[in-house]
Amino acid sequence: SAVISQKPSRDICQRGTSLTIQCQVDSQVTMMFWYRQQPGQSLTLIATANQGSEATYESGFVIDKFPISRPNLTFSTLTVSNMSPEDSSIYLCSVAEGGSNQPQHFGDGTRLSIL
Amino acid sequence: GQQVMQIPQYQHVQEGEDFTTYCNSSTTLSNIQWYKQRPGGHPVFLIQLVKSGEVKKQKRLTFQFGEAKKNSSLHITATQTTDVGTYFCLHHNFGNEKLTFGTGTRLTIIP
Repeated sequence: SAVISQKPSRDICQRGTSLTIQCQVDSQVTMMFWYRQQPGQSLTLIATANQGSEATYESGFVIDKFPISRPNLTFSTLTVSNMSPEDSSIYLCSVAEGGSNQPQHFGDGTRLSIL
Repeated sequence: GQQVMQIPQYQHVQEGEDFTTYCNSSTTLSNIQWYKQRPGGHPVFLIQLVKSGEVKKQKRLTFQFGEAKKNSSLHITATQTTDVGTYFCLHHNFGNEKLTFGTGTRLTIIP
């Protein structure tokens, strides 16, 4: 299965700033996803990152707050913009080969704390 | 919107006892995937079920998809300390391409 490198692994940020999280895959993959997971909670899909086009956002998530790039089939970034304490969470990228109904492989996640 | 509930939310068992988590949906499911997330780790794919009534086994783990494709279960026989973690189901809806994780069941083992 694909090896996913996500960074940073953790960060502590000031309110009002922005942070960009990177997700690098060791092979070309069709689908890349970004999730948010509050401690002790389930995963919530933020968006599907589409290569060469705008990301597809889930209800409750907007591009201005969570801009996503996917310049090629092995790399994606998620930016958390104008952060507030409510954005403190774990952010995870995942990949699926062949379609969104295929098994997903996750990065180690980014633990983000906002002061 | 679609909700995928898991029960129980928490389960504490003695080592060697069996464990079962259930995934229930308000709508018919296209397929179900199961993931395990160790404390401090990321979710790891376990299995995918597609057919009505499907049963799959992985060593001590047995996965089942309901006949009506509205529920699924994961059963662990004779739990071991390595089974500790949170087990999530993930539903993919072919109709609207939505991916929905279940609420998760956290398993702790008493040695």
